[in-house]
Amino acid sequence: KAGVTQTPRYLIKTRGQQVTLSCSPISGHRSVSWYQQTPGQGLQFLFEYFSETQRNKGNFPGRFSGRQFSNSRSEMNVSTLELGDSALYLCASSLGAGTDIYGYTFGSGTRLTVV
Amino acid sequence: DQQVKQNSPSLSVQEGRISILNCDYTNSMFDYFLWYKKYPAEGPTFLISISSIKDKNEDGRFTVFLNKSAKHLSLHIVPSQPGDSAVYFCAASADNYGQNFVFGPGTRLSVLP
Repeated sequence: KAGVTQTPRYLIKTRGQQVTLSCSPISGHRSVSWYQQTPGQGLQFLFEYFSETQRNKGNFPGRFSGRQFSNSRSEMNVSTLELGDSALYLCASSLGAGTDIYGYTFGSGTRLTVV
Repeated sequence: DQQVKQNSPSLSVQEGRISILNCDYTNSMFDYFLWYKKYPAEGPTFLISISSIKDKNEDGRFTVFLNKSAKHLSLHIVPSQPGDSAVYFCAASADNYGQNFVFGPGTRLSVLP
């Protein structure tokens, strides 16, 4: 079965712009979680969506937002980009409610560079 | 304040020898621990896990040890192979549903032929 698909793979934006990243989960998976990976910080949890509702949120400013569509595809938006937003953004999909922690599959990520 | 720490940013090991990757955590509520492996340009993939009711879990060449009193876990790879060269992330969760994994910063392992 197809894996988790993230688009685009690479993106370059300038400070102050906004960006939208997309994640298509594995077919049948209803939960999508977003993570930011930066050197030295590991993966930091942004938020999780399940059945079009944000179920959990990490400790990121309001410039970071997301949504999930009825087909479980999710988008993440970052407004007013800052240089420090340059990172690899990963999404992980899982079946959803009751999924244990071993059931997450990550996409390959979107590499965002802010100049 | 990092709740999950991997104090070695990088590690080099000769092929065939043992690789030991360490992870420390501060939150005593963590009960589930996982290791993920990440190759460049790919997402992390699940490697091995352990829950707090055990102190060891083995899967082929990979063994994870948990010392709950010391809040320390380690991943042993024996024997190490060049294909093991990757970044290894330790992750912890306080519940089995893991919506809020807490990841360490990662250790880059290089296995030299």
